[in-house]
Amino acid sequence: ETGVTQTPRHLVMGMTNKKSLKCEQHLGHNAMYWYKQSAKKPLELMFVYNFKEQTENNSVPSRFSPECPNSSHLFLHLHTLQPEDSALYLCASSQGDSREQYFGPGTRLTVT
Amino acid sequence: GQNIDQPTEMTATEGAIVQINCTYQTSGFNGLFWYQQHAGEAPTFLSYNVLDGLEEKGRFSSFLSRSKGYSYLLLKELQMKDSASYLCAALDSNYQLIWGAGTKLIIKP
Repeated sequence: ETGVTQTPRHLVMGMTNKKSLKCEQHLGHNAMYWYKQSAKKPLELMFVYNFKEQTENNSVPSRFSPECPNSSHLFLHLHTLQPEDSALYLCASSQGDSREQYFGPGTRLTVT
Repeated sequence: GQNIDQPTEMTATEGAIVQINCTYQTSGFNGLFWYQQHAGEAPTFLSYNVLDGLEEKGRFSSFLSRSKGYSYLLLKELQMKDSASYLCAALDSNYQLIWGAGTKLIIKP
């Protein structure tokens, strides 16, 4: 039990679909993150939210759209994805931006 | 540019000791993290170093040399369950984590 949950755990979608990934943290943290993890590559930071405000957007294509309605929930809305977007998408949270991050189990996304 | 280097894969024997090295180049430095990630699972926090020296936590120890831009993770009395990927990440001056690609550690009986 990591205190960070993600749904769904697996998702297969076509390039014309729209779907959303959900993350919830039960740790009382004030920062939340979306990462993309591809095989044999470093974790790629996509978005950072501090106190519900987006503080980082690392040149992520607009087909990925984050939403943070409160400090416990984070969404990643997906539309018109490409096959190269297939990866493991990890959510994480931390108390402040200099402390260790706690990760969810990830969503394995396959774009067909 | 910012960069983290660590070996792609290492193999060790059960009961032995293994050292996983990490070198980093970042814009500023606010600490070095090590995470463990089992296949198909989330990364979990192992250690954080911000001052030079060795931090020991049970069978795992982490070392940092800021002047050399170098860290290592030392695993003693290896167990089969230690088979995992070990991720090194440095916190830069903007408090953004720069991640390495991970070292896959294979433990053999």
